[in-house]
Amino acid sequence: AQSVSQHNHHVILSEAASLELGCNYSYGGTVNLFWYVQYPGQHLQLLLKYFSGDPLVKGIKGFEAEFIKSKFSFNLRKPSVQWSDTAEYFCAVKMDTGRRALTFGSGTRLQVQP
Amino acid sequence: DGGITQSPKYLFRKEGQNVTLSCEQNLNHDAMYWYRQDPGQGLRLIYYSQIVNDFQKGDIAEGYSVSREKKESFPLTVTSAQKNPTAFYLCASRGQGEQYFGPGTRLTVT
Repeated sequence: AQSVSQHNHHVILSEAASLELGCNYSYGGTVNLFWYVQYPGQHLQLLLKYFSGDPLVKGIKGFEAEFIKSKFSFNLRKPSVQWSDTAEYFCAVKMDTGRRALTFGSGTRLQVQP
Repeated sequence: DGGITQSPKYLFRKEGQNVTLSCEQNLNHDAMYWYRQDPGQGLRLIYYSQIVNDFQKGDIAEGYSVSREKKESFPLTVTSAQKNPTAFYLCASRGQGEQYFGPGTRLTVT
């Protein structure tokens, strides 16, 4: 069965540190890729998405992600995190299986210490 | 102000009772989704609907039911057959290739 893996379950960083969260999926066909963020007490909201074209995509709040097709990966990065980035981050994949729904990873809880 | 509303925010029920969670959207989206969020497990798809009067089971549909009589509404019923119903439930709709989420309903069954 197709799946999405986020290997980092809980990450603790100091402000100004660089961030990279891993996301891998197991599907050999065409994919659309997403990163969502859930700030404490808020809606799940979209950070960035990849459909096609340049594999390096930029999102809101200084986040970016790179699609590496050969590695089935879509890692999220930010050069310098802020305390306000404390949240839970979810990678999601839409696979061209005919089911127009997202498959989510288990999430990564990021805690940024001031 | 367009968006997705879910009510109530918190819901408490006794074991053995069915309960219906509301989801309404005014984004004019055809597709709507229900997910369940549990700590450490991400979001898992319960049911989805691509169009009015049509819906499909997701990965964890057992013990749940839905209806889609109107484009704006996609209510989820958690039945007494659901063995572990306590969770955070998220509704979403899809437009322009991406999903938009509601604020969620936290259901506690005791």
